[in-house]
Amino acid sequence: ETGVTQTPRHLVMGMTNKKSLKCEQHLGHNAMYWYKQSAKKPLELMFVYNFKEQTENNSVPSRFSPECPNSSHLFLHLHTLQPEDSALYLCASSQDHHEQYFGPGTRLTVT
Amino acid sequence: DQQVKQNSPSLSVQEGRISILNCDYTNSMFDYFLWYKKYPAEGPTFLISISSIKDKNEDGRFTVFLNKSAKHLSLHIVPSQPGDSAVYFCAASARNAGNMLTFGGGTRLMVKP
Repeated sequence: ETGVTQTPRHLVMGMTNKKSLKCEQHLGHNAMYWYKQSAKKPLELMFVYNFKEQTENNSVPSRFSPECPNSSHLFLHLHTLQPEDSALYLCASSQDHHEQYFGPGTRLTVT
Repeated sequence: DQQVKQNSPSLSVQEGRISILNCDYTNSMFDYFLWYKKYPAEGPTFLISISSIKDKNEDGRFTVFLNKSAKHLSLHIVPSQPGDSAVYFCAASARNAGNMLTFGGGTRLMVKP
């Protein structure tokens, strides 16, 4: 498999559930990112990992918890989300923060 | 306050004609600019980029122009094809900010056959 993959592609969860989003990059990149895309808003950067170390946290609520066990895998753990957290969550990777390559995204609906 | 703005939410063009997508930015520290294309149910795909030391970069049907004094960049697609119909995002980064990308809100391009 090539590029950046994300699972699941679609997720519906209740506000009391705990779920995780998974991202895997097969490009040998050293940086990985989580973005949120809400309707009619620009892409919002959530977290950045560089060589497995978190280097950026854009004031994201603690109900979103990232994990980067190695430079190829990135998780986003979700806990007690709100309906306004419903959005498309995109993972991306890059080499030295230049062109970023995106996965297909996970469409999350919080009920 | 949005540092990267795409003021046209949508654009409709006839097949074979030129499509011009515009992007304005406010942060003078931005030194690298990119265009991404996004189809429904897919992630954005990198299209073309330009460094602030250049004013033009061309790749096939796609050309990006940068006007630093006006803090404006544009993407030209010629000739436009129906398969170009997608949402186009411009993005900018600054070396002194770790090259993190700041995205515009996107422009939906529709190319009519």
